[in-house]
Amino acid sequence: GNSVTQMEGPVTLSEEAFLTINCTYTATGYPSLFWYVQYPGEGLQLLLKATKADDKGSNKGFEATYRKETTSFHLEKGSVQVSDSAVYFCALADYTGGFKTIFGAGTRLFVKA
Amino acid sequence: DGGITQSPKYLFRKEGQNVTLSCEQNLNHDAMYWYRQDPGQGLRLIYYSQIVNDFQKGDIAEGYSVSREKKESFPLTVTSAQKNPTAFYLCASSPSQNPVYFGNGTRLTVT
Repeated sequence: GNSVTQMEGPVTLSEEAFLTINCTYTATGYPSLFWYVQYPGEGLQLLLKATKADDKGSNKGFEATYRKETTSFHLEKGSVQVSDSAVYFCALADYTGGFKTIFGAGTRLFVKA
Repeated sequence: DGGITQSPKYLFRKEGQNVTLSCEQNLNHDAMYWYRQDPGQGLRLIYYSQIVNDFQKGDIAEGYSVSREKKESFPLTVTSAQKNPTAFYLCASSPSQNPVYFGNGTRLTVT
């Protein structure tokens, strides 16, 4: 079946460092892909999305490109801030059998001042 | 402001008691979902509903029940049959297609 695999965390970076969080997926058809962010004690917030191959989603300095040839959707940010510390979830929209979204296990990011 | 409201934020119950978690949305979304999140883990789908008066089991429905009598509301009951009910519960909704939007969650502790 469809699935999403993220790099294991935690990822610890210093402020202003470059961030990459890897995400690969397995899917039949052409799913939409998403990144969500979860701050402590809160729900998930949609960070960015891409609906077809070669689309680039971007928001708040974060970017991810839908790569069909490598089945990947890696999250990147050029210069992280302490306020970016959170858990990041990669997800794909699976329409098989209904409107279900499949989430990766999440990657915790710590950014040090 | 439109959004998804979950209440209460924290809930404590004794083992053997049923408990109902509230979820209300004013986004006019057709679909609603309940997820469970355990510490350090991803989300697991409990139930989802694509339309009023209809719902389907997700991956871990055992020990849970839901109803969808109104478009805006999708309450989740955690029954005494759920073996490990202590968790963070997230309600979400979406229009006819993704993405999914989340509430701020209810942390349930059963002792």
